[in-house]
Amino acid sequence: EAQVTQNPRYLITVTGKKLTVTCSQNMNHEYMSWYRQDPGLGLRQIYYSMNVEVTDKGDVPEGYKVSRKEKRNFPLILESPSPNQTSLYFCASSTYAGSLTHEQFFGPGTRLTVL
Amino acid sequence: KQEVTQIPAALSVPEGENLVLNCSFTDSAIYNLQWFRQDPGKGLTSLLLIQSSQREQTSGRLNASLDKSSGRSTLYIAASQPGDSATYLCAVNGGSGGSNYKLTFGKGTLLTVNP
Repeated sequence: EAQVTQNPRYLITVTGKKLTVTCSQNMNHEYMSWYRQDPGLGLRQIYYSMNVEVTDKGDVPEGYKVSRKEKRNFPLILESPSPNQTSLYFCASSTYAGSLTHEQFFGPGTRLTVL
Repeated sequence: KQEVTQIPAALSVPEGENLVLNCSFTDSAIYNLQWFRQDPGKGLTSLLLIQSSQREQTSGRLNASLDKSSGRSTLYIAASQPGDSATYLCAVNGGSGGSNYKLTFGKGTLLTVNP
């Protein structure tokens, strides 16, 4: 089944404790992206990757890191989480970004709470 | 900077009614527009994608239209059912100013269909 998977689905952690949220897709998509969703603010892009070893900042990259060493994986790293990073996180993937048919497929989400 | 607005923010209708959800965007230089459905605490399910060269797309009881020049899209749901209750999100891909590689989301319309 074609899908985007994220792990963990739920995470409660404390301020300053490094964590990684994994994202994997099995559709051979070039483009991958991370979003966060907050009440009243909607979904906002954190980082995106056009292909392996190519990443760039989205609208809200502060406090996050990403890497794209393999085409199928795009982990989101919080080196020193803070309470304002409590949010619902989504990973998405799609075929080539600069096309009319660029349709993004989303993972199930990771609900992160930073105490 | 691309901005997406969805009206109304919430809508409650009796089962069987036809309804229209509205989406507007400020920058018409888009690749495409996607409509998503989000159930509470869940991920995003892509419903329809309309390329910038298209006027409408249909899937079952759903019909989405796009008027790129005026920056508007509508999602028409025919013969609504309680199972249609969810938040519906509109997202545009692209716009001038280097935003070609992300989706810009509206804040959604919360739809409730009452039996």
